[in-house]
Amino acid sequence: DVKVTQSSRYLVKRTGEKVFLECVQDMDHENMFWYRQDPGLGLRLIYFSYDVKMKEKGDIPEGYSVSREKKERFSLILESASTNQTSMYLCASSLAGQGVDGYTFGSGTRLTVV
Amino acid sequence: AQSVAQPEDQVNVAEGNPLTVKCTYSVSGNPYLFWYVQYPNRGLQFLLKYITGDNLVKGSYGFEAEFNKSQTSFHLKKPSALVSDSALYFCAVRDIHHSGTYKYIFGTGTRLKVLA
Repeated sequence: DVKVTQSSRYLVKRTGEKVFLECVQDMDHENMFWYRQDPGLGLRLIYFSYDVKMKEKGDIPEGYSVSREKKERFSLILESASTNQTSMYLCASSLAGQGVDGYTFGSGTRLTVV
Repeated sequence: AQSVAQPEDQVNVAEGNPLTVKCTYSVSGNPYLFWYVQYPNRGLQFLLKYITGDNLVKGSYGFEAEFNKSQTSFHLKKPSALVSDSALYFCAVRDIHHSGTYKYIFGTGTRLKVLA
């Protein structure tokens, strides 16, 4: 069964900590994405990557960075966690091409910053 | 810019009754539209998509959606709701980044509650 795996389901971190969220996919997808999900706001795109070592800012990149050293792995980094980054973080992947296949999502990481 | 709107934050329906979850879109060009479902503390799961062809699209778990170009809508439907259909539903539309990468823009979600 093909999948996108996020390393942690729940995380609690302290303000100011550097936080790493990891995502691995086994479908050989070219594209990988990080979204955050907040009630009433839906899904907002943070960063995405269309190739190894390539990254593009999404709609809300401030306070975040990403790393894609290998095709299957896409990491989201919170440089200095703040309470307003408490959220559900979703990783997704997709094939390159015409965008007809949609995303495959991971199960999400619920991050609480205290 | 491409966008989708889900006008209802929550929809309540009795078990066994038909359900509709609404989505309208705004796009330049032909729309590629998707529905996803999210169960509590889980990621989103693909339900169905409209790319081209028949306006009535059938998907997983007995769901279907009707593409209406004149009303710019893509409503999700099911003839007979189950309690297990209770979840958060998202509509999405394909968009293209200037890098040439296709991505999707999501609505704000509609919580469906099916009452026993």
